[in-house]
Amino acid sequence: AQTVTQSQPEMSVQEAETVTLSCTYDTSESDYYLFWYKQPPSRQMILVIRQEAYKQQNATENRFSVNFQKAAKSFSLKISDSQLGDAAMYFCAYRSPFSGTYKYIFGTGTRLKVLA
Amino acid sequence: NAGVTQTPKFQVLKTGQSMTLQCAQDMNHNSMYWYRQDPGMGLRLIYYSASEGTTDKGEVPNGYNVSRLNKREFSLRLESAAPSQTSVYFCASIESVLNTEAFFGQGTRLTVV
Repeated sequence: AQTVTQSQPEMSVQEAETVTLSCTYDTSESDYYLFWYKQPPSRQMILVIRQEAYKQQNATENRFSVNFQKAAKSFSLKISDSQLGDAAMYFCAYRSPFSGTYKYIFGTGTRLKVLA
Repeated sequence: NAGVTQTPKFQVLKTGQSMTLQCAQDMNHNSMYWYRQDPGMGLRLIYYSASEGTTDKGEVPNGYNVSRLNKREFSLRLESAAPSQTSVYFCASIESVLNTEAFFGQGTRLTVV
């Protein structure tokens, strides 16, 4: 069975600084999708960034980028130039491929605090 | 432009009561999911439906049942509520073939006393 692990329950970063959130996963599938979602206090889940496992190039979205290490099964999120609006819970997620089980599972989350 | 709609938003149940959480999406998505969110536990998958007519157990299915009524609707039923089922419940849907982004409802906060 696939699992997603986030070992940092809480992180803090100074405004305008850079922070990295960690995620590891376990799977026997060779093709899959990885995601980072943001959940602000409103509880609404917002997609931050996605990575297809078959792509070697790391995904980037403006100030957000990932470090995808397939062999190590590691998928970290780097937030550059942190802003107060980045404060939220961040969830790492794994999705099985279309030919697989369609499972979509999440880690336990990392609460990010941004200090002014 | 509703997206994923969950009802109700809040509910208080007594131990042993039953209830159904409703979820509907208007994006013609194939796959739908039910999660529960508890402090320190993240989102845990209860049940999912890869496509209309199919349902499968997730990580924590005990005490729950689901029905994929049609392509739009996916309900979650608690037959005999227990205090351990106090949680925030989220429904999500994805298109599955071309798009892998999950779209979530606003959540249902359920308290079982």
